[in-house]
Parts: sequence; C-alpha cells; structure tokens
Amino acid sequence: DAKTTQPNSMESNEEEPVHLPCNHSTISGTDYIHWYRQLPSQGPEYVIHGLTSNVNNRMASLAIAEDRKSSTLILHRATLRDAAVYYCPPREGANNLFFGTGTRLTVIP
Amino acid sequence: EAQVTQNPRYLITVTGKKLTVTCSQNMNHEYMSWYRQDPGLGLRQIYYSMNVEVTDKGDVPEGYKVSRKEKRNFPLILESPSPNQTSLYFCASSLLGGRHEKLFFGSGTQLSVL
Repeated sequence: DAKTTQPNSMESNEEEPVHLPCNHSTISGTDYIHWYRQLPSQGPEYVIHGLTSNVNNRMASLAIAEDRKSSTLILHRATLRDAAVYYCPPREGANNLFFGTGTRLTVIP
Repeated sequence: EAQVTQNPRYLITVTGKKLTVTCSQNMNHEYMSWYRQDPGLGLRQIYYSMNVEVTDKGDVPEGYKVSRKEKRNFPLILESPSPNQTSLYFCASSLLGGRHEKLFFGSGTQLSVL
C-alpha cells in the first residue's frame, strides 16, 4: 500500500496563497491523488483529485510533480473558513483511502 | 441536496447496551463505508459495502456489525459496546467505490461508552 507524508501543521496569513505539500513516493501508476479537508466538527470533504496533470476547481488547484512522487494543494487566497485539517490520503487496498493525521492549517487574520 | 445523514449526532451509553448508528445517503451510491476517528490515529475504516447485501471488513472491524439491506442505508451496530469504542464515527459513500471517485462523508457521530 502507498504511504504519504505531510507536515503536521502550517500557518498562513489571511488572503495569502497557501501551498500544502504531500509526498507520495510509493504511489502506483494508476492511483489518483486525492485531497480532502476536515473543518472543525465536520466530516472530511472532498477538495480535488488528479492523476498526472495539474487540476483546478473552484476550491483549489492541485499541482502534481512530473514523477508523481509529490503534489501540492494550492489555496489561492486563504480565508478563515479554510482553517482545517488537510489530507492527501493514499489508496489502501482495493476500496479504502487511508486518512492519516493530515496537515492542520491555521489561518491568521 | 446530496448528502450523507448520520444519526444520532451524539450518543452516550453504557458498556454492553446494544446500539445502532444509522447512515443514509440520497445519491443512489452503491459504495458505503464506516470509519472511526481517534486522536493521533486518523480515520480508520471499520466496514464497507460495495452494494446491497455485499459487505466486507475494513481495518478495525472487531466489535462492530453492519448490514446493507437497502442501497440507501448502512447502519453500524455495536452489539456489546465497550469503552474502547468511544470515538467519533463517520459514514461515507461514493458512486461505485472506484479509485477516482470522491467520497461523501456524513457529519459524524460522537459516541461515548461509559
């Protein structure tokens, strides 16, 4: 099973861009890279996913390294509502994403 | 609105008293799953279901049961709860359980077993 490594915590000033890194050096060639976030007192919510190309949606951008061993979730302008724990869960087995402890993002007003 | 609904939101019970946490989704998803979240351990999968009457164990199934009699519902059953099952529980669903699909999570059930 693939493993991922994320920093335990990060801080950002409000309205500044945030780059959240994830290392997934053991990812298989067919596994998608997923990002989820968990706001306080809520369940995880999907943010974005991709396979090889960079991806954009209304929430964030996902930059995937050419060798796919790492990715970066980009929040273009952090707001207080973006304060959450961010996960890049690797695939575990056939039907599971392994959510570890993620990166706790603090947004400073 | 597309959603996964869990009930109850909070539950306090005593050791050995059977309980059921309900989970329902309105998206016609075939795949459903239960997780528990504990400090420092992240989310761990308890059971999952690929479709009606098809269930399988996740990473931490001991002490839990599930059933999938209808596509929309996936209850989690604790027949004899113990204090080590005190945790935050999440139900999740996706269309088919495929590798590229996104998971939709419920808001969670905080269970305390005294």
